[in-house]
Amino acid sequence: DAKTTQPNSMESNEEEPVHLPCNHSTISGTDYIHWYRQLPSQGPEYVIHGLTSNVNNRMASLAIAEDRKSSTLILHRATLRDAAVYYCILRDVQAGTALIFGKGTTLSVSS
Amino acid sequence: AAGVIQSPRHLIKEKRETATLKCYPIPRHDTVYWYQQGPGQDPQFLISFYEKMQSDKGSIPDRFSAQQFSDYHSELNMSSLELGDSALYFCASSFGGNTIYFGEGSWLTVV
Repeated sequence: DAKTTQPNSMESNEEEPVHLPCNHSTISGTDYIHWYRQLPSQGPEYVIHGLTSNVNNRMASLAIAEDRKSSTLILHRATLRDAAVYYCILRDVQAGTALIFGKGTTLSVSS
Repeated sequence: AAGVIQSPRHLIKEKRETATLKCYPIPRHDTVYWYQQGPGQDPQFLISFYEKMQSDKGSIPDRFSAQQFSDYHSELNMSSLELGDSALYFCASSFGGNTIYFGEGSWLTVV
């Protein structure tokens, strides 16, 4: 599986934007970039995913580099509820292909 | 909206006993995934099923087995339980290769 690299931790203040980076230099043409987050003792929660173009949804935005070797998850205005571990995961969209979790980024949000 | 349902939510077993976890996917989802998350660890993929056939296999111990039934629910059977099997077990589901959604997890404690 193609590997991703994320910073171990990041800090933010409430109401400020947060940019969470992810490097995936060995990404293949059929890999989608997925972001999930996990709060303590809860199941991972889908955030956003994309292939080549930047994506926006109600939770976040995903900016994908032109060469697809890196991406950035953008939380436009962090809240205390956004404090979680964020995982950047590459996944082929063949049926049954699982998400393989690596080391994510622990985001702390201060008031 | 209906989510992935897991039961039981909490389970305590003794060493060498057997445990069974159940997972009910989101309606119309045909793919089920099982994950194990130990204390302080990232979720580890165990196994997945697509249309009742095993589709992908991760680091599932030989003592564990799983299957997906005709109604698409799945069961994870764990035998000869060890202390190290104590973990949070997540089930997730998707429709084919589309977005994967996770349940809240089943806590297994082996004593």
